[in-house]
Amino acid sequence: SQTIHQWPATLVQPVGSPLSLECTVEGTSNPNLYWYRQAAGRGLQLLFYSVGIGQISSEVPQNLSASRPQDRQFILSSKKLLLSDSGFYLCAWGWEDSNQPQHFGDGTRLSIL
Amino acid sequence: ELKVEQNPLFLSMQEGKNYTIYCNYSTTSDRLYWYRQDPGKSLESLFVLLSNGAVKQEGRLMASLDTKARLSTLHITAAVHDLSATYFCAAPYSNYQLIWGAGTKLIIKP
Repeated sequence: SQTIHQWPATLVQPVGSPLSLECTVEGTSNPNLYWYRQAAGRGLQLLFYSVGIGQISSEVPQNLSASRPQDRQFILSSKKLLLSDSGFYLCAWGWEDSNQPQHFGDGTRLSIL
Repeated sequence: ELKVEQNPLFLSMQEGKNYTIYCNYSTTSDRLYWYRQDPGKSLESLFVLLSNGAVKQEGRLMASLDTKARLSTLHITAAVHDLSATYFCAAPYSNYQLIWGAGTKLIIKP
């Protein structure tokens, strides 16, 4: 069966510091991978998605970036965090076949001080 | 503008009562997803509705899809406290991307 791992679970960072969140998927190959952000009490905002190694699509302009160095690894980064980057970050995987749902990691709660 | 609207956004109800959450979407998709999120937790897939008229049931939850009306409903029967959570619907607008509703926060009081 497929599993998705996301870490860290919680992160407190000062404004202007860098960021690296990592997500890995096991038990499948060539999945679509997604980074979402959820502000407190709100819905999900798609940040990036990837359909293959090195292929990244960005949904919103921001100071975040994503990379997919390996088939089942997805990384979310920033060189300098802003206060507005606070939120709950969720990694997800899915198939191109939309008969199947996306599956989510446990999330990273990021607080910027 | 592509959008997914859930109604209501907040619902407080008594145990044992029935209620329905509505999800209107503007995409031309013939499928719709429902997810559950417990406080501070990630999202869990509940239902995938794949065609017009699809109905799926799991315990006290039943979801349906009307693609002509672009409407999905999540019906709760004889609610119990354990169903307290935030429920999201999402509609695909490409092979890869979903548009998400804002979520319905459901509180079920004993």
